[in-house]
Amino acid sequence: SQTIHQWPATLVQPVGSPLSLECTVEGTSNPNLYWYRQAAGRGLQLLFYSVGIGQISSEVPQNLSASRPQDRQFILSSKKLLLSDSGFYLCARGDRGTYEQYFGPGTRLTVT
Amino acid sequence: AQSVTQLDSHVSVSEGTPVLLRCNYSSSYSPSLFWYVQHPNKGLQLLLKYTSAATLVKGINGFEAEFKKSETSFHLTKPSAHMSDAAEYFCVVIDRSGGSNYKLTFGKGTLLTVNP
Repeated sequence: SQTIHQWPATLVQPVGSPLSLECTVEGTSNPNLYWYRQAAGRGLQLLFYSVGIGQISSEVPQNLSASRPQDRQFILSSKKLLLSDSGFYLCARGDRGTYEQYFGPGTRLTVT
Repeated sequence: AQSVTQLDSHVSVSEGTPVLLRCNYSSSYSPSLFWYVQHPNKGLQLLLKYTSAATLVKGINGFEAEFKKSETSFHLTKPSAHMSDAAEYFCVVIDRSGGSNYKLTFGKGTLLTVNP
């Protein structure tokens, strides 16, 4: 199974509030995991990726952070949200052999 | 460095007519290329992939794509559009320069509208 769970599905948060989005994956152990953001009309932007527990690479400097406390858990966080953080956040797991990525259902974040 | 250009931001077709979504790529390596589809407020689903085997790749839902190295293109086609094909489509090139730490580079997407 390549099932990916994301929650919450939708979230409305005020500017300056904290954020925690969670992603859990099923399937083989030690997957590559990815966080993407999709803003209206701007395609997908890779935010973070992880090749193992505690190993996080950041692609874009911003007020977001990511953590991987367990093999199949990937968390996206912020201490203080900005209006520009609004968007559709997608978690994905990658297959190292085929290079395919499998995406979760996404979280729609609106910062007000 | 890898890059992808989707030549049309929006394509509109009538149901039953052919679909053509255009993609050009740039890659320092022998590329792996994908097409993903995204229905509104949903995650992305892999349609098909090219990984240096047959240049004509068949995917799900009747879609196919042809890898043309001389033209650096990977256009997506379908002979007859269905209403359920209305979605956004992303062309993707794989950056394998990091080995197992590979990354995907996405095009900006093409929104396909199917008219009855």
